[in-house]
Amino acid sequence: DQQVKQNSPSLSVQEGRISILNCDYTNSMFDYFLWYKKYPAEGPTFLISISSIKDKNEDGRFTVFLNKSAKHLSLHIVPSQPGDSAVYFCAASPGTGTASKLTFGTGTRLQVTL
Amino acid sequence: DAGVTQSPTHLIKTRGQQVTLRCSPKSGHDTVSWYQQALGQGPQFIFQYYEEEERQRGNFPDRFSGHQFPNYSSELNVNALLLGDSALYLCASSLRLAGRSTQYFGPGTRLTVL
Repeated sequence: DQQVKQNSPSLSVQEGRISILNCDYTNSMFDYFLWYKKYPAEGPTFLISISSIKDKNEDGRFTVFLNKSAKHLSLHIVPSQPGDSAVYFCAASPGTGTASKLTFGTGTRLQVTL
Repeated sequence: DAGVTQSPTHLIKTRGQQVTLRCSPKSGHDTVSWYQQALGQGPQFIFQYYEEEERQRGNFPDRFSGHQFPNYSSELNVNALLLGDSALYLCASSLRLAGRSTQYFGPGTRLTVL
C-alpha cells in the first residue's frame, strides 16, 4: 500500500514557465513533508520542506503548498530552468519530533525544454 | 564542509554472497539512515542508527543488518544476496537533537547481484 503517491511519472515544461509537481498521501500521521531532486548517478538533494502547521513555504524559485484536508501537496518552480530537469521525489515523515524515517513517492521526471 | 560520503560507488556480487556498504555522515550529524532504491521506485527505508543502536526499522528481512561506530559512521551488511537486492543503496544523515531534522543523502552505492 503506497502511502505517498506521485501520479505523474513525467512532466515537460518550457523554460521560463511554471512547473507544478503534485503529491498525495494517505497516512494521517504524516506531519512533515519534503521535496528532493535527483540527478542520474547522484543521491537525492534536499530542496524544500513544510510542516503541517503551515500551508505554504517559499525558498527562492521553489514554493511548496500543503492542503491537509485533501492530503495533497505540490511543488511550484517559477521560473523553470533547464538545470531543473531531474526526477523529483516527494517524501513524508510522521510526527515523532525526531529525524524519523521518510516515506517516498515514486518520483516525477521533470524535463524543462528550451 | 564534507557532505555524506559512501563507498564503494559500484559493487558486483553473485547470489548467496555477503556485502558491506559504508557511509560517513555529514559533519556534525549523529544519525544515519539507510534506504534502498530499486529501478523506477522511490527510496525505501531500511533502518536508522543513532547512538550506535538501531532505532527504527523498515520492512526488510534480517539479512539486512547494520552498525554505527562511535564516530557516527555506519555500515550496511546484506547476507545471502538475492537477485532482487540489486538496487541503489542510499545513506542519509541528520542531527537528531535538532528536532525536525532534514536528512541529507550521499551519492549511493549501486549494487548489482548476478
